[in-house]
Amino acid sequence: KAGVTQTPRYLIKTRGQQVTLSCSPISGHRSVSWYQQTPGQGLQFLFEYFSETQRNKGNFPGRFSGRQFSNSRSEMNVSTLELGDSALYLCASSLEQIPSGVQYFGAGTRLSVL
Amino acid sequence: KQEVTQIPAALSVPEGENLVLNCSFTDSAIYNLQWFRQDPGKGLTSLLLIQSSQREQTSGRLNASLDKSSGRSTLYIAASQPGDSATYLCAVQTGANNLFFGTGTRLTVIP
Repeated sequence: KAGVTQTPRYLIKTRGQQVTLSCSPISGHRSVSWYQQTPGQGLQFLFEYFSETQRNKGNFPGRFSGRQFSNSRSEMNVSTLELGDSALYLCASSLEQIPSGVQYFGAGTRLSVL
Repeated sequence: KQEVTQIPAALSVPEGENLVLNCSFTDSAIYNLQWFRQDPGKGLTSLLLIQSSQREQTSGRLNASLDKSSGRSTLYIAASQPGDSATYLCAVQTGANNLFFGTGTRLTVIP
């Protein structure tokens, strides 16, 4: 069974640009969550989608947005990139809406903003 | 707001030693606690999940305990191996929200 797949693995962008990251969950999983990992702040929750609806949202500015498609694949978009957005972005999928499910993580997308 | 702390931040041990990693959280109203492993530049691998009603979980050489009332969890690794070298993260789930992560313990097992 394939795991959580994130694409691309690496991205380099410049300030002011926008970026879209993609996450394909484990087959049958309907919940997808996104996290940002930085050396200074550690792992922080961005948002969670379940059955194409955003159910939970962390404390991030509106420049961070996402969506989920009917096949449970999810995309995350960051507009007007800032240097501080450089991070490893991880997505996780689970069978049920959190908190009850074990979350399985992808390898992440490393975003560098120059 | 839930805060999760992991001590120590880094740990080096010789191969074969048993070791304990600590995790503490400020709000005991959790649904579960999960231990993850992260290798450099990689994603997270789930090791153990303990539901709030449970006291411990075991998988191979790993044993995790949970004392919800005191806000503490420990991850015990028996007979450590160089392949165990990684960063270990604990995370708690609260409400219908999300995972709150600790800052991790970077473990090095010296051959």
